[in-house]
Amino acid sequence: DQQVKQNSPSLSVQEGRISILNCDYTNSMFDYFLWYKKYPAEGPTFLISISSIKDKNEDGRFTVFLNKSAKHLSLHIVPSQPGDSAVYFCAAKGGGGSNYKLTFGKGTLLTVNP
Amino acid sequence: SQTIHQWPATLVQPVGSPLSLECTVEGTSNPNLYWYRQAAGRGLQLLFYSIGIGQISSEVPQNLSASRPQDRQFILSSKKLLLSDSGFYLCAWSPGLDEKLFFGSGTQLSVL
Repeated sequence: DQQVKQNSPSLSVQEGRISILNCDYTNSMFDYFLWYKKYPAEGPTFLISISSIKDKNEDGRFTVFLNKSAKHLSLHIVPSQPGDSAVYFCAAKGGGGSNYKLTFGKGTLLTVNP
Repeated sequence: SQTIHQWPATLVQPVGSPLSLECTVEGTSNPNLYWYRQAAGRGLQLLFYSIGIGQISSEVPQNLSASRPQDRQFILSSKKLLLSDSGFYLCAWSPGLDEKLFFGSGTQLSVL
């Protein structure tokens, strides 16, 4: 049973436009959400996070929105740059089990075209 | 600053051979340590995590095992590899209950 879902395996946008990556979760006990960025043959790197007590967190070009009632979060990248092309993973912590682990989605491949 | 080292970067092994992947963390003490696997077309699956020396929690039944012989060393092993063990293996650490994980550069394992 997949508790964190990224239903779009890929997304393509033009440089300068907005990229919106979506993530849905099923476990209402998740209390912290993170986005990771991964280049090929490298480990994921932390991008931005949000606590369940907030609905928005912004860091430069990156903004994460959380809609708890819909169990949905999204990552907005504005403006998108070619260097943003990577796989983006959504992750969640908590869920009634161990506080030590993150549950990841399958990832979305973002391609930003020049 | 803290760094995480994982090796080797790539590995090709025949079916039935043993496996040992090593991960070390520098610049911190008593980190939480993790092994994740990314199989083709799938997300990051947690295999093992450890909150201290000799303390290993397994997330999924499998052909692999993990050990933590020292505070900042985490080893992933198998006695006999299967084809299904192929994938990209990632070691990660976190400072205690901090939410963020910091990943190593990964090992691409191909079992043939």
